[in-house]
Amino acid sequence: QKEVEQNSGPLSVPEGAIASLNCTYSDRVSQSFFWYRQYSGKSPELIMSIYSNGDKEDGRFTAQLNKASQYVSLLIRDSQPSDSATYLCAVTNDMRFGAGTRLTVKP
Amino acid sequence: DAGVIQSPRHEVTEMGQEVTLRCKPISGHNSLFWYRQTMMRGLELLIYFNNNVPIDDSGMPEDRFSAKMPNASFSTLKIQPSEPRDSAVYFCASRFSSHEQFFGPGTRLTVL
Repeated sequence: QKEVEQNSGPLSVPEGAIASLNCTYSDRVSQSFFWYRQYSGKSPELIMSIYSNGDKEDGRFTAQLNKASQYVSLLIRDSQPSDSATYLCAVTNDMRFGAGTRLTVKP
Repeated sequence: DAGVIQSPRHEVTEMGQEVTLRCKPISGHNSLFWYRQTMMRGLELLIYFNNNVPIDDSGMPEDRFSAKMPNASFSTLKIQPSEPRDSAVYFCASRFSSHEQFFGPGTRLTVL
């Protein structure tokens, strides 16, 4: 069974801080990696996708991928209260998700 | 495009009844996924289709669950008979090839 593990939450950070979300996966042949954000009562929406080792930046969001360590992370800089949500990691072509990490950004 | 469409949005039924959830993927997408989300188990992949063919149904809980995709624009997830433990939000999602996946609004199922 392919596994996707996310760091246990909930995670709470003050407004303006950096939030760090982590994800590990067991399927070594995984090629596609995605971070989704899910607000309470809503469906997941894509934040970032990453396919190659290294960093990928999009505004305040940075995804980091290390295939050798089977590790993918999401950094949120200058966290805002509107970033408060559950963040889901998904890997490989069959799109299995981790359990999610609930982030709260306190004003 | 209207996005992924799911119906009904809410379903309340009694134990033992048949439940059918429906999904219309985004036009042009060739993969379709069914998920179930609960507080206890998170977002679970139930089954996914590529080009209308079921690829992996290992997440389907038991024989009470079945899914079909008769054509590229329609899929159903059926539960027969339903049980209270089936209560959850069921999401359908679609994508093209290995690109990002788009989710529908979900169906909130309550089995009494």
